[in-house]
Amino acid sequence: GAGVSQSPSNKVTEKGKDVELRCDPISGHTALYWYRQSLGQGLEFLIYFQGNSAPDKSGLPSDRFSAERTGGSVSTLTIQRTQQEDSAVYLCASSPSGLGGGEQYFGPGTRLTVT
Amino acid sequence: GQSLEQPSEVTAVEGAIVQINCTYQTSGFYGLSWYQQHDGGAPTFLSYNALDGLEETGRFSSFLSRSDSYGYLLLQELQMKDSASYFCALNTGGFKTIFGAGTRLFVKA
Repeated sequence: GAGVSQSPSNKVTEKGKDVELRCDPISGHTALYWYRQSLGQGLEFLIYFQGNSAPDKSGLPSDRFSAERTGGSVSTLTIQRTQQEDSAVYLCASSPSGLGGGEQYFGPGTRLTVT
Repeated sequence: GQSLEQPSEVTAVEGAIVQINCTYQTSGFYGLSWYQQHDGGAPTFLSYNALDGLEETGRFSSFLSRSDSYGYLLLQELQMKDSASYFCALNTGGFKTIFGAGTRLFVKA
């Protein structure tokens, strides 16, 4: 079946503009994660959705970042008033459940460049 | 807080065995995962240890010792295609996953 998809694959934006990044998880997966990865670095946790529960937003770096998940499926990560330090690859992952199960399936990522 | 440490780089020869270590600090967690990431690619799941001991999946094995706050990934019969970055990750309470900074593995002919 289809894997996790993300769009756009690349996004170049000017400093101060807002951007929206989209994630389509694997059908039936209840858990959805957003991460950020800077060049040559590890993955930085941003936010986690599990079913209809309130999301875990503890990793969001500032109030310029927000995310929502509609209908328990598609998720959008929004960055307002982008800054150059927001430049990174934004990765989305999903898993059948979030219950400490280990395996997450990652999308190809969105490479964001803020000029 | 929670943190993981892994070596930044490891170099090994094709056909050899290599071990990538991961030490962690956490107050509690469900298990330790390992992911592989090739340059420009997405991380892919390799292995997961919920309990102490060794988990084997083909050429890859992973080990966890909760009492030592330590785990490792063992790669056998190294191939050139194994050159990639390898991340250990804690599945923590609240289902948040914390990743290490990654170990870059270079496999030489």
